[in-house]
Amino acid sequence: SQELEQSPQSLIVQEGKNLTINCTSSKTLYGLYWYKQKYGEGLIFLMMLQKGGEEKSHEKITAKLDEKKQQSSLHITASQPSHAGIYLCGAWRRYGQNFVFGPGTRLSVLP
Amino acid sequence: GAVVSQHPSWVICKSGTSVKIECRSLDFQATTMFWYRQFPKQSLMLMATSNEGSKATYEQGVEKDKFLINHASLTLSTLTVTSAHPEDSSFYICSARDLRVSSYNEQFFGPGTRLTVL
Repeated sequence: SQELEQSPQSLIVQEGKNLTINCTSSKTLYGLYWYKQKYGEGLIFLMMLQKGGEEKSHEKITAKLDEKKQQSSLHITASQPSHAGIYLCGAWRRYGQNFVFGPGTRLSVLP
Repeated sequence: GAVVSQHPSWVICKSGTSVKIECRSLDFQATTMFWYRQFPKQSLMLMATSNEGSKATYEQGVEKDKFLINHASLTLSTLTVTSAHPEDSSFYICSARDLRVSSYNEQFFGPGTRLTVL
């Protein structure tokens, strides 16, 4: 099983709608990263969360980290077609020797 | 900001040939470089970790004789896919970090290389 699970696997929303993507870890989180990827392209770094309860925002994207629950959520407000892509969460393991990604959430935003 | 480049951005080769992919840190020195692979509609999976001047460490299930990694300098790591086969077709992404100046948790990703083996 994956160390990082994401839900939902895919999401189709109408432009202007809010949405939330979740990332759950099977192990203790010492930090959580969110990336966006257009299919077949490189990664766009969104946010890094390190402390329990930490919340960060960038434009219309907000991410929170709940260390006790070993999970993070990514919330997009008033979605736009430009938000479409694959959202990946990631975390370091083995004291920084190994970085694992979640399976990704594929987001489509209909105009 | 730290920039990592990859070359080529895409490559098509015949089955049985070898392909070399370069990963360069352009404005910083990378003590560690990571190589990831992403199959269609799947997530990225770490293949191997290379530290400058030493042998690469491969993840379980990755054939070290097939995927040759060289990290001979602090700004360049290469991944050579030897005797490539269609099942090696994938998107390969590298990342780099410099443990001397930043925390272990800061890595910078390259734009990726799409390999298609016919």
